[in-house]
Amino acid sequence: QVQLVQSGAEVKKPGSSVKVSCKASGGTFSSYGINWVRQAPGQALEWMGGIIPLFGTANYAQKFQGRVTITADESTTTAYMELSSLRSEDTAMYFCARDPSSGGWFDPWGQGTLVTVSS
Amino acid sequence: QSALTQPASVSVSPGQSITISCTGTSSDVGAYDYVSWYQQHPGKAPKLMIYEVSNRPSGVSNRFSGSKSDNTASLTISGLQAEDEADYYCSSYTSSTTYVVFGGGTKLTVL
Repeated sequence: QVQLVQSGAEVKKPGSSVKVSCKASGGTFSSYGINWVRQAPGQALEWMGGIIPLFGTANYAQKFQGRVTITADESTTTAYMELSSLRSEDTAMYFCARDPSSGGWFDPWGQGTLVTVSS
Repeated sequence: QSALTQPASVSVSPGQSITISCTGTSSDVGAYDYVSWYQQHPGKAPKLMIYEVSNRPSGVSNRFSGSKSDNTASLTISGLQAEDEADYYCSSYTSSTTYVVFGGGTKLTVL
């Protein structure tokens, strides 16, 4: 049974960057996509981007192009999402999730990492 | 503004059934059988309930079912229980560079 465990909550200043990790255990890591989805307080889910570790190339939502970098380390079965030039609107819960079929459905999900951007 | 349109809220009594709609376009819901549904309880991560329009993951109750017609997908929950009270999100694969789009979510209240 695949399990995804994310790093802990972060508080960041506007203009800084944050890097969130997502460690996978219990299954195959390299062949399946790891995607990142965020949820602002009281808001809907929003896809940010994803990566298939085996191929190493990430795809990003246009909204986040230039500000987000998604990477994966096969040796540690860990994926990372780095978001730069943070602003208050980036305050949200950030989830990683596995994409078992490359069909855009996600299972399982990590527990979420709260990123708070505040001066 | 989300790409897929869901009702903001629905309320039902225990034991009844409810259908939640999810309307997209010919570029997402209407084009692919890659519609999925997620259940999210407050403070928790989303949980996959339906994938590829109508498939249930192992462990999900058969009270949950999914379907699709043209650009609209639907999630039906029968025999509603208190534990079903949660937010429900639909999502779809899309031909745009976005890859996946989500609905705005539906808050289900079991009265």
